[in-house]
Amino acid sequence: AQSVAQPEDQVNVAEGNPLTVKCTYSVSGNPYLFWYVQYPNRGLQFLLKYITGDNLVKGSYGFEAEFNKSQTSFHLKKPSALVSDSALYFCAVYTFSGGYNKLIFGAGTRLAVHP
Amino acid sequence: AAGVIQSPRHLIKEKRETATLKCYPIPRHDTVYWYQQGPGQDPQFLISFYEKMQSDKGSIPDRFSAQQFSDYHSELNMSSLELGDSALYFCASSLAGNPGNTIYFGEGSWLTVV
Repeated sequence: AQSVAQPEDQVNVAEGNPLTVKCTYSVSGNPYLFWYVQYPNRGLQFLLKYITGDNLVKGSYGFEAEFNKSQTSFHLKKPSALVSDSALYFCAVYTFSGGYNKLIFGAGTRLAVHP
Repeated sequence: AAGVIQSPRHLIKEKRETATLKCYPIPRHDTVYWYQQGPGQDPQFLISFYEKMQSDKGSIPDRFSAQQFSDYHSELNMSSLELGDSALYFCASSLAGNPGNTIYFGEGSWLTVV
């Protein structure tokens, strides 16, 4: 079964420092990997995805993610964190059943960026 | 750009009552998904529809039902509500045909059962 794991419940970063939110995956076949962000009392916003091609994927709000097949990882990164980046981040993977897809989410990582 | 619209955004119901959540997908999207997110938890897949037919089913209780209508909007009906049904319910939509197409989520409907 397809799954993703987010090993950190929370990540604390000082504003201006680089940030990394970790995600590892377990899939059979080609992985379709996603990052979503959830601000307090808000919906899930799509940040970026890896389908195929370049291992470094660029997304919204200056975020990027690096797909690493040998380490089965898809870590989310940003060179310089902002206080406004503080939110809950979910890694997700597509799983396919009967020709239809759906997202399976990791447990989420809370990012806290301190001034 | 148009997004996924959910209504109502908030509702409070008593135990054993019934609730209906509505979802309007992004125009031209043919697939709708419903997810449930409990407090402090990750979103859990409930059910999905493609072209008005149920395409997949997850951990949706038998007390819940859903359908997609001819205009592609979807409704999630929840009966005999229990305290444990209190959660944020997301609707999402996508365009089928390409497995890499992104699934976009609405803002969610907060259900509180008292």
